[in-house]
Amino acid sequence: AQSVTQLDSHVSVSEGTPVLLRCNYSSSYSPSLFWYVQHPNKGLQLLLKYTSAATLVKGINGFEAEFKKSETSFHLTKPSAHMSDAAEYFCVVSDQRDSGYSTLTFGKGTMLLVSP
Amino acid sequence: NAGVTQTPKFRVLKTGQSMTLLCAQDMNHEYMYWYRQDPGMGLRLIHYSVGEGTTAKGEVPDGYNVSRLKKQNFLLGLESAAPSQTSVYFCASSNYPTDTQYFGPGTRLTVL
Repeated sequence: AQSVTQLDSHVSVSEGTPVLLRCNYSSSYSPSLFWYVQHPNKGLQLLLKYTSAATLVKGINGFEAEFKKSETSFHLTKPSAHMSDAAEYFCVVSDQRDSGYSTLTFGKGTMLLVSP
Repeated sequence: NAGVTQTPKFRVLKTGQSMTLLCAQDMNHEYMYWYRQDPGMGLRLIHYSVGEGTTAKGEVPDGYNVSRLKKQNFLLGLESAAPSQTSVYFCASSNYPTDTQYFGPGTRLTVL
């Protein structure tokens, strides 16, 4: 069984300061890991995906995440927050079966608040 | 290329009423999924389909039924709605070999 723990339900930063959203996972397989973002009353947008090609993954809008197997972590970072980054962020682990379909397990989400 | 679309966007039901949510994708994806999102819970898988004519239960299937009569469509039915089914429902699709799922915009359902 796989699971995801997002360590903070809310993170508050000031515009222009760094962002760190923390995620730990457990999986019986070699997992794929994702970060999705959801702006208020919107659907989910894929930020980035880890698939074992490189431990540091760059995503859209200046976000990146580092996969650390020894720590079973996949933290999301951004050097400088922008007001438009205010949203809810979900860390997700995938269990892709041999038949091809995948089952995703979502963390409970971290709400990022950005103040001027 | 619209991606994944969902109909309707909003709906209010009374307890005991029935309804069907429609998900459509134009990416020729083999796999489709229905999730529900509740505050503080993330997204939880209701049912999924690995191909036309096939469906399977996810984590929280009780009270829902699904059908995949056409490859591009995945229907989620509530036969007798309950207030506990008040939620935002998301549909997603994916295709081998990637496990990336693409999500629709969601349907906000309120059951009174």
